[in-house]
Amino acid sequence: AQSVTQLDSQVPVFEEAPVELRCNYSSSVSVYLFWYVQYPNQGLQLLLKYLSGSTLVKGINGFEAEFNKSQTSFHLRKPSVHISDTAEYFCAVRSGGYQKVTFGTGTKLQVIP
Amino acid sequence: DSGVTQTPKHLITATGQRVTLRCSPRSGDLSVYWYQQSLDQGLQFLIHYYNGEERAKGNILERFSAQQFPDLHSELNLSSLELGDSALYFCASSARTGADEQYFGPGTRLTVT
Repeated sequence: AQSVTQLDSQVPVFEEAPVELRCNYSSSVSVYLFWYVQYPNQGLQLLLKYLSGSTLVKGINGFEAEFNKSQTSFHLRKPSVHISDTAEYFCAVRSGGYQKVTFGTGTKLQVIP
Repeated sequence: DSGVTQTPKHLITATGQRVTLRCSPRSGDLSVYWYQQSLDQGLQFLIHYYNGEERAKGNILERFSAQQFPDLHSELNLSSLELGDSALYFCASSARTGADEQYFGPGTRLTVT
């Protein structure tokens, strides 16, 4: 079985400050990991994904995430946030051999001017 | 614009009724996924089709069914609707399965009154 835990339901942060959104996963086999962003009244859009190789993954809009196998984490980071980053962020996992992707409950990032 | 289209955008119907949601995947994508997003349940995977065949089932109720047609568009049928079925229903598509990025449509907002 596979599961994803996003520990923070809401994260307020001031504009131009750094942010980290936390994601932990559970799986007994190899995993593929994803971060998606959902802007208000829109569908989800892929930010970045980890399939294999380098554990530091860079995505769109200046976001990056680091795969940590020993801690079963895939935290999302951005060194300096902008107002336009205000959105909900979803971490997702797919285990090798599984057809379905499991999404976390989402973290709402609120950027304060 | 993800290239995935969903119709209708909004749907208001009464309890006990039946509705059909339609999804057209990106050109060339063989996989279609359906998700339900509600405030209390978050983003829930419903079902996955690949090239016309059902590949995986998630938390899909027996009152719900889906299919993928030869032209690869998909329909999600919801019957005997209950108030609790009110939610955003997303369709996503990917080129193949699993590790491929999923492209999400804008969603259909269903309101059951």
